[in-house]
Amino acid sequence: EAGVTQFPSHSVIEKGQTVTLRCDPISGHDNLYWYRRVMGKEIKFLLHFVKESKQDESGMPNNRFLAERTGGTYSTLKVQPAELEDSGVYFCASSQEGTNTGELFFGEGSRLTVL
Amino acid sequence: AQSVAQPEDQVNVAEGNPLTVKCTYSVSGNPYLFWYVQYPNRGLQFLLKYITGDNLVKGSYGFEAEFNKSQTSFHLKKPSALVSDSALYFCAVRDRRFTGGGNKLTFGTGTQLKVEL
Repeated sequence: EAGVTQFPSHSVIEKGQTVTLRCDPISGHDNLYWYRRVMGKEIKFLLHFVKESKQDESGMPNNRFLAERTGGTYSTLKVQPAELEDSGVYFCASSQEGTNTGELFFGEGSRLTVL
Repeated sequence: AQSVAQPEDQVNVAEGNPLTVKCTYSVSGNPYLFWYVQYPNRGLQFLLKYITGDNLVKGSYGFEAEFNKSQTSFHLKKPSALVSDSALYFCAVRDRRFTGGGNKLTFGTGTQLKVEL
């Protein structure tokens, strides 16, 4: 069974440019999460989808970040325009509906470097 | 608000020796507690969790963790470390009262474990 896949694995962009990160969750997982780890710091929650609906987006830093999950399958996270402080590793995770006791399946992360 | 503290950025241990990676937490209600591990160039991988019941939880690869409510701690332990255990370890907490569905976890900053021969 394929795990959570993320693309790209690494993206280097200039400040002011746009980047779109993609996440394909494990097939059948209704819950999809985005987390971010800024250099050396804790992994922080960004948002949570249940199917195509945003369940909780309280962790989104600002309106430069837009997450979508059209059709309830894969998700994209767009940063526009990117700023230096957006650099970090963006993790996607998924879990089955109803399993709300913490076991998430994570992708390998997308490392974003903003110059 | 909930938080997790991992006081050590790095832990070094010799292979065959016991290891401990420390974690303390703060949460308003009763916690769900977790350990995740990240091997080089890999995603985070679930290791173990405390939900209820026995305070000593056993997980993958011989790891275990002890929930201590009075000390608000959930230290990760292993009796005999292996070089292959070298990785980045994250402790996480979720408030048990959060019933909105899903798994919004609060993570610590991570502890790099280095096991040497």
